[in-house]
This record gives sequence, C-alpha cells and structure tokens, in this order.
Amino acid sequence: DVQLVESGGGLVQPGRSLRLSCQGSGFIFGSYAMSWFRQAPGKGLEWVSFIRSRGFRGTTEYAASVKGRFTISRDDSKSSVYLQMDGLKTEDTGLYFCSRVDTIGAEDWFDPWGPGTLVIVSS
Amino acid sequence: AIQMTQSPSSLSASVGDRVTITCRASEGIRDELGWYQQRPGKAPKLLIYAASYLQSGVPSRFSGSGSGTDFTLTISSLQPEDFATYYCLQDYSFPFTFGPGTTVEVK
Repeated sequence: DVQLVESGGGLVQPGRSLRLSCQGSGFIFGSYAMSWFRQAPGKGLEWVSFIRSRGFRGTTEYAASVKGRFTISRDDSKSSVYLQMDGLKTEDTGLYFCSRVDTIGAEDWFDPWGPGTLVIVSS
Repeated sequence: AIQMTQSPSSLSASVGDRVTITCRASEGIRDELGWYQQRPGKAPKLLIYAASYLQSGVPSRFSGSGSGTDFTLTISSLQPEDFATYYCLQDYSFPFTFGPGTTVEVK
C-alpha cells in the first residue's frame, strides 16, 4: 500500500525555523518527484514546492511566497523528502501536505497525499 | 502565474443529483489539469488527471472534460460521501495553481 506520512510540525515563533519530513512507503521512492502543499486554516490549497527525482537531477521549484526562505530536499535512502522552512512568517501557518508526483510526458498529478502536519507560526 | 477560477463557489444538492463544476484558466493549459476532492479534516484525494482520466479506484460517476482554458468536473449521481470541497489544479507551468474550490453541500 502506497503511503506518505508527514512529521515535524509544531508551534514556532516568527523568524524561526522548522524542518518538515515526509516518509514514503510501498513504492520505489527514488523514482518519483515529490511535492509539498499547504492549507491555511479555513482556506484553500496552495502548492509550495517540488523536487524532481535523481533521474532528472533532483531539481527544485518553489512558490514565490516561499522562495528564498524554504528549501526542499530528498534522501532516497530514507524514502524521505524534507522541507526546511527558515524565516517563518505568521502567514506560513497551516497544514502542510506532501504528495507523490506521477508523471507521464508533460502531465503531472499528485497521488497519494499524506495526512498533513500542522505548522503554527505565532509569538 | 496562471490564475484559476472555479464556479460556483458552493452549491446545494441532493443525493442522486447531477452536479457540474467548472474551472477556467487565465491562459491555455492544454489538458494539464487535475481535480481533487477534500473532505473536512482530510487530505485531498485525486479524482481526475490530465483533464479527463479517472484515477484508479475512483467511482465512475466522476468524469472530467475540457482542454485549453475551460474544464468541467461532473458527478453523474451524487452520493452521500461526495459532499466535500472540490479543487482544480493546473500542472501546466510553475507555479502550480489551484482554483479557490467548490463546496458541495447537502440541500
């Protein structure tokens, strides 16, 4: 069964850092791109970051709202993807989800998703 | 960034109803669009990818259509478990962007 589980969320003060982890199981982790999303309380979904597989040089993409503050990385030996979040702002508060990326040609889709980990940025 | 809009923002429907949700992109995105269902307190679930392909395990009452800028998600006969919020997501170009969501409520 393909599964993803996020961890590392918590309460943090503005300006501080947090590192989220997402561990996958039930699939060959290194063969897939991975992505992070978030959802502010009571709001819609927002794409945050994307990392390609090693076969595509592990290159990364970021939303403008987090570029320069967040860093996505992966450790295929641990079937894990990470989101290092620095310089956190109150508007970064939300539930953070990771997802596996399925790709055929130019098409990407996101399945499955983990249950999410909650990040609260507050003084 | 490509802007995605959805209509309606919410709708009330009954079990057995046919429901249609539309999504529009601010520029052409070919067929690079997915539909996701999110129940309260749960992670999103992929329903449709590449605009019209049903994800494995998703009931056949869900269907998607469209290309370019205009897309549609249809639920042919609404079931109790379908009351949820539905989002479209364009994966044509970074940054990937979601529509604001359509909440399907019990009438």
